[in-house]
Amino acid sequence: AQTVTQSQPEMSVQEAETVTLSCTYDTSESDYYLFWYKQPPSRQMILVIRQEAYKQQNATENRFSVNFQKAAKSFSLKISDSQLGDAAMYFCAFIQTDSWGKLQFGAGTQVVVTP
Amino acid sequence: KAGVTQTPRYLIKTRGQQVTLSCSPISGHRSVSWYQQTPGQGLQFLFEYFSETQRNKGNFPGRFSGRQFSNSRSEMNVSTLELGDSALYLCASSPEGGKRAKNIQYFGAGTRLSVL
Repeated sequence: AQTVTQSQPEMSVQEAETVTLSCTYDTSESDYYLFWYKQPPSRQMILVIRQEAYKQQNATENRFSVNFQKAAKSFSLKISDSQLGDAAMYFCAFIQTDSWGKLQFGAGTQVVVTP
Repeated sequence: KAGVTQTPRYLIKTRGQQVTLSCSPISGHRSVSWYQQTPGQGLQFLFEYFSETQRNKGNFPGRFSGRQFSNSRSEMNVSTLELGDSALYLCASSPEGGKRAKNIQYFGAGTRLSVL
């Protein structure tokens, strides 16, 4: 069985500062994808960033970057130059390549951005 | 391109009733997945459909069912509603279902179901 753990229920960051969200996962598979999704108060889940397990290079999308440590089964998200619009619940998610459609989510981390 | 559309956005039902939720995927997407989100259990996978076939199923009782039509639109049905079925139900679509598929899921805004 796979599990995804987010140990930080809430993180607070000031505008323009950097915040890092932690995520660990447990799997015996070698072929999988990892994601960070953002869910603002509107409840719409928005894809932030994706990482393929077979790629060693860490993914980057503008102000968002990940630190993927495959051996440690760790997948953290760094938000740089935080903006008020970054305030949301962030979910780490895992999917096995051959697991049709089954994303497994962590419990989420609430990011609060203060002016 | 239009995003994933879920209808209705809000529903109020009473215990024992049944409910049907609808999901229209992004045009060209053939895989549709459903999730239940509650404060206590978080986000849990219900099932996934591809080309009108259920390919994967989560650990939910048989009261939860779904189907997919030839145009990839999907419905999920919950029969004999219980108070614990109150949740946000999210639908997501993916471009393709192959082994090396992108596996990116694009979500709708959800249907909030309240069971009284």
